[in-house]
Amino acid sequence: KNEVEQSPQNLTAQEGEFITINCSYSVGISALHWLQQHPGGGIVSLFMLSSGKKKHGRLIATINIQEKHSSLHITASHPRDSAVYICAVSTNYGGSQGNLIFGKGTKLSVKP
Amino acid sequence: NAGVTQTPKFRVLKTGQSMTLLCAQDMNHEYMYWYRQDPGMGLRLIHYSVGEGTTAKGEVPDGYNVSRLKKQNFLLGLESAAPSQTSVYFCASSGVYPPGELFFGEGSRLTVL
Repeated sequence: KNEVEQSPQNLTAQEGEFITINCSYSVGISALHWLQQHPGGGIVSLFMLSSGKKKHGRLIATINIQEKHSSLHITASHPRDSAVYICAVSTNYGGSQGNLIFGKGTKLSVKP
Repeated sequence: NAGVTQTPKFRVLKTGQSMTLLCAQDMNHEYMYWYRQDPGMGLRLIHYSVGEGTTAKGEVPDGYNVSRLKKQNFLLGLESAAPSQTSVYFCASSGVYPPGELFFGEGSRLTVL
């Protein structure tokens, strides 16, 4: 079982729709990251959070530490939001403490 | 405002050849990382460095070596390339550890024939 699971793997939406991408993890963490990877490969950090909720523009990230679950929401989606969204957790145990474990990503396609 | 720069962007190697990927960051970050990204898998950590002169193994270190002689540069070497090392390689840096905001390079696509 992967330590970081994302759902769905693929998501197609119409422009303007509200989008939710989920991330569940099974390990102890010190923080959770959401990353965005556009076609062509560049990876950009969107959020890092260890509790509660963060908002940046149309993007909202939430985390529930007790349930080991995080969600990334996109409001009023736009074709430029089309990308792969990656969840990663920073572990708080063992010899690799602090290193990131990545989910496989959610590929989002927003149609005009 | 270069951020993290990787060179080369693309490379084709024959089995057994050697090469070095260079990662350079201009943000004075202590922490630097090399990842590989393969289809259907998440990013996996190859090696990382917590400061100039230090390196450590990540999840998939076999077949790779690294050096951090200068704070701004993190080199990833393949001494004898194998087809299993065909991948896209990403370098990243952060100012704090455990990683705060990560800054990624644009990636280097390596094909080993």
